[in-house]
Amino acid sequence: DAGVIQSPRHEVTEMGQEVTLRCKPISGHDYLFWYRQTMMRGLELLIYFNNNVPIDDSGMPEDRFSAKMPNASFSTLKIQPSEPRDSAVYFCASSFWGPSNIQYFGAGTRLSVL
Amino acid sequence: AQKVTQAQTEISVVEKEDVTLDCVYETRDTTYYLFWYKQPPSGELVFLIRRNSFDEQNEISGRYSWNFQKSTSSFNFTITASQVVDSAVYFCALSDTGTASKLTFGTGTRLQVTL
Repeated sequence: DAGVIQSPRHEVTEMGQEVTLRCKPISGHDYLFWYRQTMMRGLELLIYFNNNVPIDDSGMPEDRFSAKMPNASFSTLKIQPSEPRDSAVYFCASSFWGPSNIQYFGAGTRLSVL
Repeated sequence: AQKVTQAQTEISVVEKEDVTLDCVYETRDTTYYLFWYKQPPSGELVFLIRRNSFDEQNEISGRYSWNFQKSTSSFNFTITASQVVDSAVYFCALSDTGTASKLTFGTGTRLQVTL
């Protein structure tokens, strides 16, 4: 079975541009998570979905960030407009419901905003 | 609120040494789950182990072992006879019934194994 698939792996953009990160969760998983990893703040949960519905977006840093899950096999995280401080590695993870279930992570997207 | 503390920011050892990575957690729930993930230099996050709060048996998997002690709220990870390939950042994480599927991560411990 394929794991969580993220694209692109690397993204370099200029300040002010729109950035869209993509994620395909593991088939059958009903939870999807977006994380951001930086040296300063470590791993931060941005938002998570259950059955395609956003449950908690309290980690989304600003209105410039938005996430969607139009169906069970696809999610996007969009930053518009991007800023240099958004530079980070963004991870997507998926799992079955419940605190005992393992979150499986994608390889991440390394975003650099110049 | 949940909290995971990994006090060791960075550890350096010479190959074949044993090394223990510490993890201390806080939760008000009686039912909770603890996890360890590995992040090698390539960057992906790899699941290593899950443990529930009702099972305090130590676990061994090859050179890896985990010591769970509820009395001290600790879930420590030991690598025996470390190898260069063990060099990575290791994260401890917690979930409980209060947070459903959300994970609370520690800040990670960077392990450097040299020849």
